[in-house]
Amino acid sequence: DAGVTQSPTHLIKTRGQQVTLRCSPKSGHDTVSWYQQALGQGPQFIFQYYEEEERQRGNFPDRFSGHQFPNYSSELNVNALLLGDSALYLCASSPPPGTGGFGSKNIQYFGAGTRLSVL
Amino acid sequence: DAKTTQPPSMDCAEGRAANLPCNHSTISGNEYVYWYRQIHSQGPQYIIHGLKNNETNEMASLIITEDRKSSTLILPHATLRDTAVYYCIVRGETSGSRLTFGEGTQLTVNP
Repeated sequence: DAGVTQSPTHLIKTRGQQVTLRCSPKSGHDTVSWYQQALGQGPQFIFQYYEEEERQRGNFPDRFSGHQFPNYSSELNVNALLLGDSALYLCASSPPPGTGGFGSKNIQYFGAGTRLSVL
Repeated sequence: DAKTTQPPSMDCAEGRAANLPCNHSTISGNEYVYWYRQIHSQGPQYIIHGLKNNETNEMASLIITEDRKSSTLILPHATLRDTAVYYCIVRGETSGSRLTFGEGTQLTVNP
């Protein structure tokens, strides 16, 4: 059973460029969340996608956008990259609503992340 | 989500139990306690969660005080591979899928 997979593993961009990161959720999961983790800090929630729509959003500017496809995979897009966007970007998936009650339903499974460096 | 407080770092000898505390004094009745860990350069890994009863799985035990204002994650026989940052997270249904990570506890297991 494949877990959450993310691509690419590493990426180097320059300021002002645009980047797209990809995520395939764990088998049987339909909800995908994205997090940004700066060096030495805990992950920060960016947004969550369910049924191909953004359902919840953290405190991130509109430069951060996403998409979810019918097969539940997801993309994170960041426009007009800034030096401060350098971070580990994590994708997490969780099972459908009603699976195992609230506590178990909201267990999130994380991928290994994409390390983005902005020069 | 209720705020959590964890010590920034702890050490443990290999083979001994590691007891990681978490304070969540403002937790409300419908909020769960979740523990995740993050080994260096990897994504966070779910460990265990609970509401008010003590819980045990193949990885760890979770002890929640009767007033639910604090909890302890117990790794019964720590190994070098348990060296990681451990995050205690409190969340309820209104949080949706959002996980709010704090600073966590850096656990170092020494040989």
